[in-house]
Amino acid sequence: EAQVTQNPRYLITVTGKKLTVTCSQNMNHEYMSWYRQDPGLGLRQIYYSMNVEVTDKGDVPEGYKVSRKEKRNFPLILESPSPNQTSLYFCASSLWVKGGELFFGEGSRLTVL
Amino acid sequence: DAKTTQPTSMDCAEGRAANLPCNHSTISGNEYVYWYRQIHSQGPQYIIHGLKNNETNEMASLIITEDRKSSTLILPHATLRDTAVYYCIALMNRDDKIIFGKGTRLHILP
Repeated sequence: EAQVTQNPRYLITVTGKKLTVTCSQNMNHEYMSWYRQDPGLGLRQIYYSMNVEVTDKGDVPEGYKVSRKEKRNFPLILESPSPNQTSLYFCASSLWVKGGELFFGEGSRLTVL
Repeated sequence: DAKTTQPTSMDCAEGRAANLPCNHSTISGNEYVYWYRQIHSQGPQYIIHGLKNNETNEMASLIITEDRKSSTLILPHATLRDTAVYYCIALMNRDDKIIFGKGTRLHILP
């Protein structure tokens, strides 16, 4: 089954404790992206990647890192999480030539205390 | 990407057609109009997209005006399960930044 898988789905952590949210897709998609969603602010793009070893900042990249060492994986790294990074996070992927047809993961709800 | 404008919220009676408008007056000739929906806090789901012609699939129909400055997503027979936030975005193939606005919250009323 074609899917985008995120882990963990739910996480409560404390300020400053490094964490990684993994994202994996099984559709051989070139394009992958991370979004965060907060009440009243809609979906905001954090980082995106057009292919292996190619990443770029979205609208809200501060406090996040990403890497794209393999085509299928695009982890989101919070080196020193802060409470303002409490949010619902979504990973998405698409074929580059069909850029608008994004497939989204189920979301990861992160709480930073 | 062209900016899109959608109403904040809409109501529709169950069984009726839900018509969701989107304005994209600055859309360029090679930008497509895409629609997504997000049910509760699930990941957004692709619905349909189009360039110039009207499009239909098993989920919905997309009507794009001749000048391409606006479009309407039509859910022909709305059910309670269609209650969701609907996003309209405009972008080219191979666009890298894909930006979602705040969408339209559609309430289907029993």
